[in-house]
Amino acid sequence: DTAVSQTPKYLVTQMGNDKSIKCEQNLGHDTMYWYKQDSKKFLKIMFSYNNKELIINETVPNRFSPKSPDKAHLNLHINSLELGDSAVYFCASSQGQGKGKTQYFGPGTRLLVL
Amino acid sequence: GQNIDQPTEMTATEGAIVQINCTYQTSGFNGLFWYQQHAGEAPTFLSYNVLDGLEEKGRFSSFLSRSKGYSYLLLKELQMKDSASYLCADDSWGKLQFGAGTQVVVTP
Repeated sequence: DTAVSQTPKYLVTQMGNDKSIKCEQNLGHDTMYWYKQDSKKFLKIMFSYNNKELIINETVPNRFSPKSPDKAHLNLHINSLELGDSAVYFCASSQGQGKGKTQYFGPGTRLLVL
Repeated sequence: GQNIDQPTEMTATEGAIVQINCTYQTSGFNGLFWYQQHAGEAPTFLSYNVLDGLEEKGRFSSFLSRSKGYSYLLLKELQMKDSASYLCADDSWGKLQFGAGTQVVVTP
């Protein structure tokens, strides 16, 4: 199946831990994104990479570090997890960046920090 | 999300029509996306409007007025499976800014 996939789907962890979320797309796209959807359902952009280069870096704590080993993968590492990090994290991809590029979303990773 | 305004919830019966309005800030505006998100699932693309006017895609249509900073998504012949959140997203400055979504509840 051609799609955007994320692992894990669920992540429950203690405050202070470090965790990673992985994303892969086999759509042949060159741009990938991380979004955070909080309890109020706002979907907010965190990072975007185009051809492995960081192009969007919103005001996100530096505990969050994205890494793109190649065009098809974008991982998110989170250090020293806090309660407020609990949310659903969505990966997305598009062909090209900027105006009018339709983004295709992965199934989400539900992170709960206790 | 603060620049995008859409109603929180709408309820309609099967077979009816529902119109979801969305207003946005016009500064840097490029186009307007609509996405559908079922509970616990990923947002999926519905439509993208750049030019003024109505674009129809089967039971779903989307309208844009650039001068008014206004869009709507029209859902016709509602089906139970249309119960979902509908997200309006402003394509400005090279990135998407999403509204909080409108939860549409379809009743029998």
